[in-house]
Amino acid sequence: YELTQPTSVSVSPGQTATVTCSGEGLENKYVCWYQQKPGQSPVLVIYEDTRRPSGIPERFSGSNSGNTATLTISGAQTVDEADYYCQAWDSRACVFGTGTKVTVL
Amino acid sequence: QMQLVESGGGLVKPGGSLRLSCAASGLGLSDSHMSWIRQAPGKGLEWLAYISSGSSVIYYADSLKGRFTISRDNGKKSVYLQMNSLRAEDTAVYYCATTTIGALDALYYFDNWGQGALVTVSS
Repeated sequence: YELTQPTSVSVSPGQTATVTCSGEGLENKYVCWYQQKPGQSPVLVIYEDTRRPSGIPERFSGSNSGNTATLTISGAQTVDEADYYCQAWDSRACVFGTGTKVTVL
Repeated sequence: QMQLVESGGGLVKPGGSLRLSCAASGLGLSDSHMSWIRQAPGKGLEWLAYISSGSSVIYYADSLKGRFTISRDNGKKSVYLQMNSLRAEDTAVYYCATTTIGALDALYYFDNWGQGALVTVSS
């Protein structure tokens, strides 16, 4: 099973960044998202498609429809510049997306 | 929040073996499901293995082809990854992470990560 993400997304500060994650039948699975800044471990920012862990800013939101899950950063800030990975679970195995570098400038 | 610290990384020759450890501080490891995930230099995340809190359920990525073994010792608050027949392509930072099962068992996700241990396979 494969999850495909765009290689990069650029956004101006204060604008909305959208990161997509595509996979066959993804709407029938649950998706989560991780943020990874350079030299740091990944951090969970969205789980079960739409839920935010405590401590994650409200500007992070998620959705999942059709074959595509989406991470939205509303009012992106420079601190949000990072790599983002989607992840799903399929047939007793974890699948990570290919990763998207989000640039805020 | 439980702190996870990986150790045991280093330089190993192709064909060699290495055992990584993941130690947890504070309470909670014995109740936590755990996974190992790696990241090759400049590459994305790759899940390797999962072990349930009581070791009764273990899953592996097909790509490992039986070379890696996950285990745990709750009394020592530790989780391990035994890696055998190492290859250059196993060079990566290896993370342990707590694993939560959500969405009516439809999603396993990683909500607490260690800082990672670097494994370099080279002659």
